[in-house]
Amino acid sequence: AQSVSQHNHHVILSEAASLELGCNYSYGGTVNLFWYVQYPGQHLQLLLKYFSGDPLVKGIKGFEAEFIKSKFSFNLRKPSVQWSDTAEYFCAVNGDTGFQKLVFGTGTRLLVSP
Amino acid sequence: DADVTQTPRNRITKTGKRIMLECSQTKGHDRMYWYRQDPGLGLRLIYYSFDVKDINKGEISDGYSVSRQAQAKFSLSLESAIPNQTALYFCATSEIHTDTQYFGPGTRLTVL
Repeated sequence: AQSVSQHNHHVILSEAASLELGCNYSYGGTVNLFWYVQYPGQHLQLLLKYFSGDPLVKGIKGFEAEFIKSKFSFNLRKPSVQWSDTAEYFCAVNGDTGFQKLVFGTGTRLLVSP
Repeated sequence: DADVTQTPRNRITKTGKRIMLECSQTKGHDRMYWYRQDPGLGLRLIYYSFDVKDINKGEISDGYSVSRQAQAKFSLSLESAIPNQTALYFCATSEIHTDTQYFGPGTRLTVL
C-alpha cells in the first residue's frame, strides 16, 4: 500500500527565511505527486504537481518541489517565505493503480512570523 | 473554490442522530470523493465515486454511507453519529484523465 510521510509536523520561520518541507512516499511504481496548501479556515488548494518530465516543478506563489526518484522524495521549497505563507501543507501521492485515489501525508503546519 | 460547495458548513449534533452532509459541484467532473481531516492525521478517504453508478469504500468507511444522486451531487451520511466522528469533512472532485482533485470548503461536524 502507498504511504506518505511528512516528518516535520510544525515549522516556525521568520519572514524571508528559506523553506524546505520534506515528503517521502513508499511506492515502487510510477507515481503522481502533489502538494496542497490549506490556509487558516480555508479548503485545500493545489500548490503544484508532478506527473512526468522535469523533476523540478514550479507552482504558485513562488513554491517549487523536486522529485528525486532514488530517494522517494518530493520536497517542497521556497527561497523566501512571507507571513501570508502561514498555512498547513500536505503532500499527496497517487500510484499507477489505475484510478485516482490520493494518499495524503499528515501535514506540516507552517507558521511564519513577521 | 466556489465550483465545489458543501452544506452545511458547520453542524453540531448529538450522539445517535442521523446526519447528512451534502456536496455539489459545477465543474462537470465525474469523480467525487469524501474525506475527513483530523489533527495530526491528515486527510483520510471515506468513500469515492467514479460515476453515478459507481460507489467505492475508502480506508475509513465504517459508520458512513454515501449517495450519488447525480453527476453533480454526492452526499455523505452518518446513520448514527458518535463523538469520534467529530472532524472536518471535505468533498473533492476530479476529472477522468487527471489526478488533480479540487476541494470544497469543508464541513465542521461536532458530535456531542
